[in-house]
Amino acid sequence: GIQVEQSPPDLILQEGANSTLRCNFSDSVNNLQWFHQNPWGQLINLFYIPSGTKQNGRLSATTVATERYSLLYISSSQTTDSGVYFCAVAYYNQGGKLIFGQGTELSVKP
Amino acid sequence: DVKVTQSSRYLVKRTGEKVFLECVQDMDHENMFWYRQDPGLGLRLIYFSYDVKMKEKGDIPEGYSVSREKKERFSLILESASTNQTSMYLCASSSVRRGGRDTQYFGPGTRLTVL
Repeated sequence: GIQVEQSPPDLILQEGANSTLRCNFSDSVNNLQWFHQNPWGQLINLFYIPSGTKQNGRLSATTVATERYSLLYISSSQTTDSGVYFCAVAYYNQGGKLIFGQGTELSVKP
Repeated sequence: DVKVTQSSRYLVKRTGEKVFLECVQDMDHENMFWYRQDPGLGLRLIYFSYDVKMKEKGDIPEGYSVSREKKERFSLILESASTNQTSMYLCASSSVRRGGRDTQYFGPGTRLTVL
């Protein structure tokens, strides 16, 4: 089956620092999403990015499908960026079923 | 604005009780999903449905059943709750545009404790 590996598992940053989170997947996928899980457990959509590059404010993401990885960039981090970041992928013929990585737990210190 | 709602944020039940978790989406999505999230195990798919009255088993369906009588509502049923079903339950939905590869949206989650 498809494996999804995220790195690093934990990350501690000082406010204002930049960071890069990585997601490796083991086969061709037709869906790749990045989520941020807030302290209350809500999964918030960040990007739908099966390929290419997207930007939303201080966050951007790049997926290189041919090399089976995706990167999430957080610039000028803020304490509100703290939480767990998940990468999830899906096959087309799996009916949109997402397979999640184990997450990167980010802590931004003031 | 996209909206997926779940019937309860927190729920406490006794072992052996029948438990219903409800999920409603207002986006006219065809696909709906139930996941559970546990420390160290991540998010795992329990069941999903791609149409009314249709259901498919996910990775961990044992001890659960589902019901989808209307397009907007997907229910997860624990026929006889057990302590190992204490978990965070997350519902999601997505459309079948783009060949079923569309963005999946999640509800706020239900933290279920079985005593």
